Amino acid sequence: DAGITQSPRHKVTETGTPVTLRCHQTENHRYMYWYRQDPGHGLRLIHYSYGVKDTDKGEVSDGYSVSRSKTEDFLLTLESATSSQTSVYFCAISESASTYEQYFGPGTRLTVT
Amino acid sequence: AQSVTQLDSQVPVFEEAPVELRCNYSSSVSVYLFWYVQYPNQGLQLLLKYLSGSTLVESINGFEAEFNKSQTSFHLRKPSVHISDTAEYFCAVSALQGAQKLVFGQGTRLTINP
Repeated sequence: DAGITQSPRHKVTETGTPVTLRCHQTENHRYMYWYRQDPGHGLRLIHYSYGVKDTDKGEVSDGYSVSRSKTEDFLLTLESATSSQTSVYFCAISESASTYEQYFGPGTRLTVT
Repeated sequence: AQSVTQLDSQVPVFEEAPVELRCNYSSSVSVYLFWYVQYPNQGLQLLLKYLSGSTLVESINGFEAEFNKSQTSFHLRKPSVHISDTAEYFCAVSALQGAQKLVFGQGTRLTINP
């Protein structure tokens, strides 16, 4: 299994509070991704990173920001959480743009009340 | 932009029966195609992928998928399923150029009954 951990694994927070989710990898892969999984929608890309300090938006980036100050860590921040951001969040990594295989972390279940 | 449609949200089958999970995609550019599997309470794992070459691709656990460009489909099949195949299956596409931004279908929950 690829060395990907996500923290926390579960979190309950209140509307309006900031939340940061962390993805940590030990594979030294260049690309990192954040997805959210919702019933009936599959997984949707939030943001991705193609190197340290290099990030770009995905399909559903509104209300989210990311940072990558080290190769191994990719942080997802909800500046002011809303109930619509209740979801399961998955981090994924890939070695390069040409390998075309992403490895997924175990996920973080976030509930916004 | 790309989109993926998985035609069945749930597929119940009996053990040892054949199964087909359907996937259609839409894209204005050439794409690579993938099937991922998610076992209960786990992350996703790559099951198989089509990048180029033979349009029929196989996984190590007996699944196969065929890329049909004219029908823009990438259906997943297995001739005889096992209880352990119970999972959710996601079809995904990625444009050939640039970062690997996967676009996923809605998922198909495969339930195997004894």
